[in-house]
Amino acid sequence: DAKTTQPNSMESNEEEPVHLPCNHSTISGTDYIHWYRQLPSQGPEYVIHGLTSNVNNRMASLAIAEDRKSSTLILHRATLRDAAVYYCILVNTGKLIFGQGTTLQVKP
Amino acid sequence: DAGVTQSPTHLIKTRGQQVTLRCSPKSGHDTVSWYQQALGQGPQFIFQYYEEEERQRGNFPDRFSGHQFPNYSSELNVNALLLGDSALYLCASSSGGTRYEPQHFGDGTRLSIL
Repeated sequence: DAKTTQPNSMESNEEEPVHLPCNHSTISGTDYIHWYRQLPSQGPEYVIHGLTSNVNNRMASLAIAEDRKSSTLILHRATLRDAAVYYCILVNTGKLIFGQGTTLQVKP
Repeated sequence: DAGVTQSPTHLIKTRGQQVTLRCSPKSGHDTVSWYQQALGQGPQFIFQYYEEEERQRGNFPDRFSGHQFPNYSSELNVNALLLGDSALYLCASSSGGTRYEPQHFGDGTRLSIL
C-alpha cells in the first residue's frame, strides 16, 4: 500500500486559511487521494477526495500537484471546531490505511 | 437519515472471553469495514464485508472474525481476548460499487480488557 507523509502537528489562528500538506511520492495511477479528519472522541469523518484535478466541497478544497506526488487540503476559514487529526490516505482497494496524521490546533 | 450506528458504546471484558460488536450501516450503503484504533494511534483496517462475504482482510489473527447479514448490518467477533485487544473498534460503511467511495464511520465501541 502506498504511503503518505504528513507533518505531525500544525497551528492556525481562527478565521484564517489553513493549508495541510501531504506527500505521496510513490502514488500509482489508480490511487485516489482521500482526506479524513477525526475530532476527539469521534470516529473519522470524510472530508474530500480526488484523483487528478483540484476538488472543492462545502468543507474544504483539495489541491493536487501536477505530478500527483503531493497534495494540500485547504480549509478556507478555520474555526475552533476544525481542531482535529487530519489524515491523508491513498485509496484504490477500498481499505483505508491510516498513518499518524496531522494534529491541527486552532487558536482563538 | 441515520448514519452508521454501533453498539454497545462501551464494553468491559476479561482476558480469554469472547465479544461481539454490532454495526448498522448508513442507509443505502452495502459495504461494511471494521477498524481497530489503539490509544494515540490511527485506525488499523481489520476486514471488509460486501455481499455477505469477507472481501479483504488486514493483518489480524483468526481470532477476529465477522459476519454481514442480508440487511447489510455486520458483527465483529473477537475470541480469546488479550489485553492488547483493548481499543476503540470502528465500523465504516460505503457503497460497494467502486473501491474508492468515501467511507462513513460510526463513533465506535470502546472495548476494555481487564
